[in-house]
Amino acid sequence: EAGVVQSPRYKIIEKKQPVAFWCNPISGHNTLYWYLQNLGQGPELLIRYENEEAVDDSQLPKDRFSAERLKGVDSTLKIQPAELGDSAVYLCASSSQGRYYNEQFFGPGTRLTVL
Amino acid sequence: TQLLEQSPQFLSIQEGENLTVYCNSSSVFSSLQWYRQEPGEGPVLLVTVVTGGEVKKLKRLTFQFGDARKDSSLHITAAQPGDTGLYLCAGVNNNDMRFGAGTRLTVKP
Repeated sequence: EAGVVQSPRYKIIEKKQPVAFWCNPISGHNTLYWYLQNLGQGPELLIRYENEEAVDDSQLPKDRFSAERLKGVDSTLKIQPAELGDSAVYLCASSSQGRYYNEQFFGPGTRLTVL
Repeated sequence: TQLLEQSPQFLSIQEGENLTVYCNSSSVFSSLQWYRQEPGEGPVLLVTVVTGGEVKKLKRLTFQFGDARKDSSLHITAAQPGDTGLYLCAGVNNNDMRFGAGTRLTVKP
């Protein structure tokens, strides 16, 4: 079974440019998460989807960040315009409701560098 | 301020040594998870502990959940270079999960 797929793996852009990240979760997983991980820190939740509904986006900086999961499967996270402080690893994870407590499966992440 | 405090932040040991890392919080969690993350990869779940006082073993790794479900420890026996990585704890309440900053472990051959 394929794991969580993310692309691109690396992205380097100039500040003020837009950037988008794509995530395809594990087949059948209804919950999808986007996290931001700064160097030396743990992941911080940006947004959580249950199917196509964003059920927790309280930590998403909505002035420049947006996300969508139109058909309840894959998802896109966008930053426009990017700032220097956005340089980080953006992780996508998915999980399935079941008897195991919120076990999340992570993708390899997209490392963003803003110059 | 981190909701979950992990200590130590960095740990470098020789192969064969034992070690314990800690995850502490003032909050009570319904469950707590430990993940390991290697460079260039996402975190991978090691264990979930649910019951206060629970102890789980995974080969050379022993995980304990505090009686009050506010803290946890991870003990590794006879560490190997393959144990090198970032160890993250995450506290879970309902669908809300918060990570600590991690302990970066290096095991030297």
